[in-house]
Amino acid sequence: DAKTTQPPSMDCAEGRAANLPCNHSTISGNEYVYWYRQIHSQGPQYIIHGLKNNETNEMASLIITEDRKSSTLILPHATLRDTAVYYCIVRASSNDYKLSFGAGTTVTVRA
Amino acid sequence: DSGVTQTPKHLITATGQRVTLRCSPRSGDLSVYWYQQSLDQGLQFLIHYYNGEERAKGNILERFSAQQFPDLHSELNLSSLELGDSALYFCASSRLANEQFFGPGTRLTVL
Repeated sequence: DAKTTQPPSMDCAEGRAANLPCNHSTISGNEYVYWYRQIHSQGPQYIIHGLKNNETNEMASLIITEDRKSSTLILPHATLRDTAVYYCIVRASSNDYKLSFGAGTTVTVRA
Repeated sequence: DSGVTQTPKHLITATGQRVTLRCSPRSGDLSVYWYQQSLDQGLQFLIHYYNGEERAKGNILERFSAQQFPDLHSELNLSSLELGDSALYFCASSRLANEQFFGPGTRLTVL
């Protein structure tokens, strides 16, 4: 699986949009970009995933650049409950289903 | 609530002992994954089972073993425990290659 690079931490104001970047310059054509988050020692929670096109669900939006070498997770209106470690993971969907977690980005939402 | 249950929630034991962690996947999910999260190693994939068969192995020690039963629940057996095995152990389940749903974890403390 391709490696990802994320900033170690970022702050965000409550009610504002949080934009979390992720670099995956060695991504292959069959690899998806997944985002998970982990709120203080709870089990990781799936947020969103995509291949090429931008995706949106009730939690977030995922913007993938045209060359697919980077992506941005957008939390449209951050709340204090969004404080968590956010993981960007690149994974092929063929045979190997495991998730390879990096260090992630610790996002702190401040009132 | 992800629908994945894990027992016990906490486990305290001594070095050299053996423990069994249990996981019940979401209804209908055939895949079960085990992950270990320690302070120094982060979230590490251990093993993946699909419908009772082992599909992939990660950084799982020989002292650790797992199985998935006909009712699809899974058990992770840890033997000859060492201090370094103290960690959070998460189970996740999924349908095929889709998003994984994580349980609340079992916190293992080896004294």
